[in-house]
Amino acid sequence: DTGVSQDPRHKITKRGQNVTFRCDPISEHNRLYWYRQTLGQGPEFLTYFQNEAQLEKSRLLSDRFSAERPKGSFSTLEIQRTEQGDSAMYLCASSLRGGYGEKNIQYFGAGTRLSVL
Amino acid sequence: KQEVTQIPAALSVPEGENLVLNCSFTDSAIYNLQWFRQDPGKGLTSLLLIQSSQREQTSGRLNASLDKSSGRSTLYIAASQPGDSATYLCAVSTGGGNKLTFGTGTQLKVEL
Repeated sequence: DTGVSQDPRHKITKRGQNVTFRCDPISEHNRLYWYRQTLGQGPEFLTYFQNEAQLEKSRLLSDRFSAERPKGSFSTLEIQRTEQGDSAMYLCASSLRGGYGEKNIQYFGAGTRLSVL
Repeated sequence: KQEVTQIPAALSVPEGENLVLNCSFTDSAIYNLQWFRQDPGKGLTSLLLIQSSQREQTSGRLNASLDKSSGRSTLYIAASQPGDSATYLCAVSTGGGNKLTFGTGTQLKVEL
């Protein structure tokens, strides 16, 4: 297993366009998380899935953002009508499960860097 | 609302020095605390995870401590090397979803 993979690594788009990112978690992991990181800041939580169910969304996730995990495996994050403020690194993480114990360590992908011109 | 603070924001040390990075959090109701390393333009690498019931964890030259009641954690790096240069992030896990709340990180530079 090669860990969490994200595609694309970089995306440049014009304001108003739609973009979609993909995350493939570690294969046996049930939990999948999306975070956003801007320059000089720590990552901020956006949303997470337990298998295919989206269980929590941050207030940061406006109506222009939608995330799916249709079969409980890979996930997509779509941003509609992109704005310059959406420029950031979008990070995906997965864990075996939540709660207490070593099995809830979150493993991160390399991220997708979005630049909105 | 959980808030995580890391001090210092940046640190430069000569190779071989031992150093301590600090992390504080406002809500002690956490499941665990993780320390991560982030290289420029890259994702995060998990270094250590401390459960809320634990006091410390060790991995190689790294030792992390947790004082949950006072809302503090430290990451101790022994005999620093230039390859340790990176940003170190502290994150606490809260809520049933185990979502992480991160600090803004400490940017470490180890010089030859």
